[in-house]
Amino acid sequence: GAGVSQSPSNKVTEKGKDVELRCDPISGHTALYWYRQRLGQGLEFLIYFQGNSAPDKSGLPSDRFSAERTGESVSTLTIQRTQQEDSAVYLCASSLAVVGSNKNTEAFFGQGTRLTVV
Amino acid sequence: QKEVEQNSGPLSVPEGAIASLNCTYSDRGSQSFFWYRQYSGKSPELIMFIYSNGDKEDGRFTAQLNKASQYVSLLIRDSQPSDSATYLCAVNAYNYGQNFVFGPGTRLSVLP
Repeated sequence: GAGVSQSPSNKVTEKGKDVELRCDPISGHTALYWYRQRLGQGLEFLIYFQGNSAPDKSGLPSDRFSAERTGESVSTLTIQRTQQEDSAVYLCASSLAVVGSNKNTEAFFGQGTRLTVV
Repeated sequence: QKEVEQNSGPLSVPEGAIASLNCTYSDRGSQSFFWYRQYSGKSPELIMFIYSNGDKEDGRFTAQLNKASQYVSLLIRDSQPSDSATYLCAVNAYNYGQNFVFGPGTRLSVLP
């Protein structure tokens, strides 16, 4: 696709339910990032996938959060047993970055998924 | 702990003035530096990136990098009300395949 695509755009869920957020990166992009942004706050790193390397999960706030990516394609972020504090915009970004190369490291963001836990 | 710091603002400048946005970073291994603009309710969009010490100009925007001082800045010339947004600084150490570290952002307000 022309850009990073995220779905759904908006999600309202009840506390305790599981949700799955999807990110479709720009075709050919090897790196994929998930961030969380609470209202009026900065970007909070969640997880980073780079090619076939083990993902950097250091930003996941709890074991209720998990993410998967198969190869260089779609990624899904799953939040189990959602809490009200999970309400935020979840942003996905991708880049052509390859470890060891200084080219194409800029990342491009999707439009985000606004999650509201009620 | 890798950190990127920015003045949260708001930074207010009159229309037509130069807006100067500053960013410092803690990791000397950082090698790529980015400026993103984020309008309220929208996702960040890339404005500029810079890898080498010195200045890089693109239209009304100039990015300046000083690796010795661990400092990167963004100058916006002839500021317009449409430039009013939050500006995010980000760094990346590509040699290590590391993720981006974002600063908290500086809110810029250009007054007509």
